[in-house]
Amino acid sequence: DSGVTQTPKHLITATGQRVTLRCSPRSGDLSVYWYQQSLDQGLQFLIQYYNGEERAKGNILERFSAQQFPDLHSELNLSSLELGDSALYFCASSARGVKVETQYFGPGTRLLVL
Amino acid sequence: DQQVKQNSPSLSVQEGRISILNCDYTNSMFDYFLWYKKYPAEGPTFLISISSIKDKNEDGRFTVFLNKSAKHLSLHIVPSQPGDSAVYFCAASSYQGGSEKLVFGKGTKLTVNP
Repeated sequence: DSGVTQTPKHLITATGQRVTLRCSPRSGDLSVYWYQQSLDQGLQFLIQYYNGEERAKGNILERFSAQQFPDLHSELNLSSLELGDSALYFCASSARGVKVETQYFGPGTRLLVL
Repeated sequence: DQQVKQNSPSLSVQEGRISILNCDYTNSMFDYFLWYKKYPAEGPTFLISISSIKDKNEDGRFTVFLNKSAKHLSLHIVPSQPGDSAVYFCAASSYQGGSEKLVFGKGTKLTVNP
């Protein structure tokens, strides 16, 4: 158990819909990262937050957005969903979000868009 | 453009033998490398890392070798155990635009046969 929790574990929705994925970091960790893993793909970095502020952006679509709240939990919002958005979405956390820090991953949310 | 490549999707070895997982990268700005292990239905778990100023790092049965000139790293597991059966992801890190970003390979599925 990494200490990072993600809800829900599974999500099935239809194209055009909007969903919210939630992540609670390990106790004391200030930085949260979101990753997407599509079929046969490695993990693609989406976005990083540190202590409530966006720190780094990766290959995140404009239809996707995220935020980190004062209690440090984070939400990833996916809107206007397309079939290709079906994937595993992982959240990770680290203490300060700085270089060479180990990221601890949650179990992921499996999203299926029909 | 895949900056981190794991060219072997799968690898099968006998228990007690050595497992060698390979990873190549293209971006010379990468200066820190990590290996993560992932079991089904779980998030990736950090295994071992190496800084670009080193060429070898060892942790128990796991050793990572880095060849900077060849832009190649490998993970050696000796001796391999059935519990090592998992997907192994290679990741590379660089500091760009004021933030740290991890780039992952697509993974190699290791099967250790009893």
